[in-house]
Amino acid sequence: DTGVSQDPRHKITKRGQNVTFRCDPISEHNRLYWYRQTLGQGPEFLTYFQNEAQLEKSRLLSDRFSAERPKGSFSTLEIQRTEQGDSAMYLCASSLAGGFDGYTFGSGTRLTVV
Amino acid sequence: AQSVTQLDSQVPVFEEAPVELRCNYSSSVSVYLFWYVQYPNQGLQLLLKYLSGSTLVKGINGFEAEFNKSQTSFHLRKPSVHISDTAEYFCAVSEGELTGGGNKLTFGTGTQLKVEL
Repeated sequence: DTGVSQDPRHKITKRGQNVTFRCDPISEHNRLYWYRQTLGQGPEFLTYFQNEAQLEKSRLLSDRFSAERPKGSFSTLEIQRTEQGDSAMYLCASSLAGGFDGYTFGSGTRLTVV
Repeated sequence: AQSVTQLDSQVPVFEEAPVELRCNYSSSVSVYLFWYVQYPNQGLQLLLKYLSGSTLVKGINGFEAEFNKSQTSFHLRKPSVHISDTAEYFCAVSEGELTGGGNKLTFGTGTQLKVEL
């Protein structure tokens, strides 16, 4: 297994455009998490899935954000009508449910909104 | 709700010197504790974790941490640092499944360790 993969690594977009990020978790992991990290801060929880079900969303996840995990495999995070405040590193992580060994994180997608 | 405080935003240290990065947490239930390291433009890599049992946990790259329940602390230590240890270090806490939170992690704001020659 190659770990958690995220694509793209970097994205520069104009304000108002839509962007979509992809995360491929470790294949046997049924939990998938999205976090956002801004400069000088620790990662903040956005949402998580168990298999294909989205079980929790943070208040940080405004209506412009939507996440999916069809078939319980890869996940996508879409941001509509991007704003400059959306500029951040978006991190994906996966783990097994029940019993907790910590997450495996991907390398992240750095979004810059200009 | 759980929270994490990392008291030092930056810690400069000379190579081969010992280092301690401080972490305090707050939670109303039993927790799991983690330290992650982040190199520039990279994701987070797990250094070590405390789930239960022995309060002294050893991790990768010669790091160790001690869980102190009475002081609600989980400080990270290394007896002799190397230039390659220069990175951002994050302490994190999880309440596991107890509060229905799905093992969400709450992170501190990070400590930048800078190892100098």
